Amino acid sequence: GIQVEQSPPDLILQEGANSTLRCNFSDSVNNLQWFHQNPWGQLINLFYIPSGTKQNGRLSATTVATERYSLLYISSSQTTDSGVYFCAVDSWGKFQFGAGTQVVVTP
Amino acid sequence: NAGVTQTPKFRILKIGQSMTLQCTQDMNHNYMYWYRQDPGMGLKLIYYSVGAGITDKGEVPNGYNVSRSTTEDFPLRLELAAPSQTSVYFCASSSPFDSEAFFGQGTRLTVV
Repeated sequence: GIQVEQSPPDLILQEGANSTLRCNFSDSVNNLQWFHQNPWGQLINLFYIPSGTKQNGRLSATTVATERYSLLYISSSQTTDSGVYFCAVDSWGKFQFGAGTQVVVTP
Repeated sequence: NAGVTQTPKFRILKIGQSMTLQCTQDMNHNYMYWYRQDPGMGLKLIYYSVGAGITDKGEVPNGYNVSRSTTEDFPLRLELAAPSQTSVYFCASSSPFDSEAFFGQGTRLTVV
């Protein structure tokens, strides 16, 4: 099956810092999503981004489908950005997750 | 707009007991999924369905069964609960046309 790799596995940021999270996938995918899992375990849709670039406030994402990677940018990080960020890809009806990036934003 | 609804939110089972986790969606999505998430880990696909009457195994199907008799509902059945099935279970749905997936709130299951 398709492999989804996220990096880095862990990230510690000071409030106000910027960061980039990466998602590599091993085969062509129909679609790609980024999620934030908050400390209460809730999965929150961030971006549905099979290709191109999208922005939502301090977050933005870029997917280059031909090169099989996606990037999630967090700018001016806040403590509420803490949690785990997951990338997931849709491969012919099987929606598969990467292992996630654990982000801790310190005051 | 309810989206994806899972019940129950929490459950404690004894070893060997059975239970059904319920999942229903009101978005008329063809695709539905069940995942488990162990502490500190990512989500692993248990079963998925591309439409009513059609189901298929994911990465970790052993110990679980599913059925899909309607578009809206996709229950997950645990027949003989084992401690290894202690986990948080998530249900999701998506459309084959744009594939954006939406998740339920999760069910926290403990088997003792």
